Amino acid sequence: GAVVSQHPSRVICKSGTSVKIECRSLDFQATTMFWYRQFPKQSLMLMATSNEGSKATYEQGVEKDKFLINHASLTLSTLTVTSAHPEDSSFYICSALHGGAPQTQYFGPGTRLLVL
Amino acid sequence: QKEVEQNSGPLSVPEGAIASLNCTYSDRGSQSFFWYRQYSGKSPELIMSIYSNGDKEDGRFTAQLNKASQYVSLLIRDSQPSDSATYLCAVKWGAGSYQLTFGKGTKLSVIP
Repeated sequence: GAVVSQHPSRVICKSGTSVKIECRSLDFQATTMFWYRQFPKQSLMLMATSNEGSKATYEQGVEKDKFLINHASLTLSTLTVTSAHPEDSSFYICSALHGGAPQTQYFGPGTRLLVL
Repeated sequence: QKEVEQNSGPLSVPEGAIASLNCTYSDRGSQSFFWYRQYSGKSPELIMSIYSNGDKEDGRFTAQLNKASQYVSLLIRDSQPSDSATYLCAVKWGAGSYQLTFGKGTKLSVIP
């Protein structure tokens, strides 16, 4: 159990376009999901916490108007990178919080974004 | 600032040996601790979680927690080449937060 999917797995886009990434919890409901970004040879950096039915909480330095997050259902959160630029090229990974003791984050397979 | 420290490695061990991965954290109020494995180019995969002092075993993996020393470790017995990956230590700080803070990871290489 505790399977999280992400779509697409890889996307290449032109500078200035917007890209939407979907994160789904397949076999459990997740009121809380997280979005991370990872640059090559660096650790995971939390971008924002996504809560079902409410606004996302962004980490310091993350532009909420550039990285739009929507968590419209208990199994789906989306991240839209608006007006993407080459410096936004990265590995974007979502996780979903699974209830239990302790509550545990399970990660999706990630989306590799390349902005030309 | 709450920090999670790991030796970046690389840690090289021969096949069949015990690999020992260590992690220290800065906040005594930390509640839960997680070890994730990340293969190159892939997302993290949960190995184990632990929240009580002592040892927790799952197959070839043993997590050890010492809250007094603010130290958590992961032992991998009978290491296999397929265990070669980066191991991330993650800490959940308190009851009111679901966020994890990750260490930078230790790269493990198991030599056949």
